[in-house]
Amino acid sequence: KNQVEQSPQSLIILEGKNCTLQCNYTVSPFSNLRWYKQDTGRGPVSLKIMTFSENTKSNGRYTATLDADTKQSSLHITASQLSDSASYICVVNYGGSQGNLIFGKGTKLSVKP
Amino acid sequence: DAGITQSPRHKVTETGTPVTLRCHQTENHRYMYWYRQDPGHGLRLIHYSYGVKDTDKGEVSDGYSVSRSKTEDFLLTLESATSSQTSVYFCAIRGDSSSYEQYFGPGTRLTVT
Repeated sequence: KNQVEQSPQSLIILEGKNCTLQCNYTVSPFSNLRWYKQDTGRGPVSLKIMTFSENTKSNGRYTATLDADTKQSSLHITASQLSDSASYICVVNYGGSQGNLIFGKGTKLSVKP
Repeated sequence: DAGITQSPRHKVTETGTPVTLRCHQTENHRYMYWYRQDPGHGLRLIHYSYGVKDTDKGEVSDGYSVSRSKTEDFLLTLESATSSQTSVYFCAIRGDSSSYEQYFGPGTRLTVT
């Protein structure tokens, strides 16, 4: 069964600190993996980071890495800001022209002053 | 929100009543999706459309129907609402690149009493 598991479920950090969120997937066939940010009460928004092989991609303070062998991805946030408080969702595309997606449950990040 | 609007944004209805949610896009995208988001679950696909009058079922389609008579509008109907359909519903469109990135609307919070 296709699954995407994220850890931790929630995380509290102090403003200015770094953090890393994890995503493990068992999805076949695998096409690519994206990270989305969802603020409370709003729809998910792509962080514009897509990985599809052994690579690392960055967008500003966000860096995502993918290890296709272990089927793991991580999202690293540097120099956190209060506005980073949100849920971060790992999304795997398992191919097909319909753009079929499997969503993780998300990691809820709280950044405290 | 990538030119996507949803209406209504909030709705409370009684068990057994029909409910229709509307998704409207302004960018002429071919693919549109309806998801539901519940605590303890990732976003789950209800139905999707790949063109006017072309729709298909997703993972959790039971109890839901959809229609797409115009490119810009995708309607989700609960023929007879049940309490298990209390959820937050998100509409999404797929960008036109080959990467299948999806863009989400602001969501509709539906409560069935």
